[in-house]
Amino acid sequence: DAKTTQPTSMDCAEGRAANLPCNHSTISGNEYVYWYRQIHSQGPQYIIHGLKNNETNEMASLIITEDRKSSTLILPHATLRDTAVYYCIVRVAGGSQGNLIFGKGTKLSVKP
Amino acid sequence: EAQVTQNPRYLITVTGKKLTVTCSQNMNHEYMSWYRQDPGLGLRQIYYSMNVEVTDKGDVPEGYKVSRKEKRNFPLILESPSPNQTSLYFCASSRGINTEAFFGQGTRLTVV
Repeated sequence: DAKTTQPTSMDCAEGRAANLPCNHSTISGNEYVYWYRQIHSQGPQYIIHGLKNNETNEMASLIITEDRKSSTLILPHATLRDTAVYYCIVRVAGGSQGNLIFGKGTKLSVKP
Repeated sequence: EAQVTQNPRYLITVTGKKLTVTCSQNMNHEYMSWYRQDPGLGLRQIYYSMNVEVTDKGDVPEGYKVSRKEKRNFPLILESPSPNQTSLYFCASSRGINTEAFFGQGTRLTVV
């Protein structure tokens, strides 16, 4: 699985959009981009994933650049409960290795 | 409600006393796995199972055993716990090997 690079930490004002970047310059054509978050030692929570098209669900939007070397997770209206560590993971769909490799992630602090 | 349930949530035990951490999922998922999370090391996969009676080692399997006799249950067994197994443990399940994973709430284990 390709390696990802994320900023260590970010702040966001409550009610504003939180834009979390992820660099995955060595991504392969068959690798998806997944986002998970972990709220203070709780179990990681799946947020969204995509291959090359932008994706949106009830939690967030995922914007993937045309060259697929980077992506941005967007929380449109951040709340205090969105304070968490966000992990960007790149992995092959349908591969034989199911191990999720969590890096250090981005610690997002949403402030009132 | 779709969920992964781990028990116990907290456990303090003594070196060498066998223990089992249970994990159960109600989503009829085929793929289940165990992770441990340690400060500075992130989440690391211990064991995984692709279906009933099919288990395999993850990245850090030493000192652990698992079994998958039923689809819904995937217990983690520590035959002779040692202090270096003090950690936060997460069970996860998913429909397939590389689909979105659902995590339990975690088991904080302390071995003294």
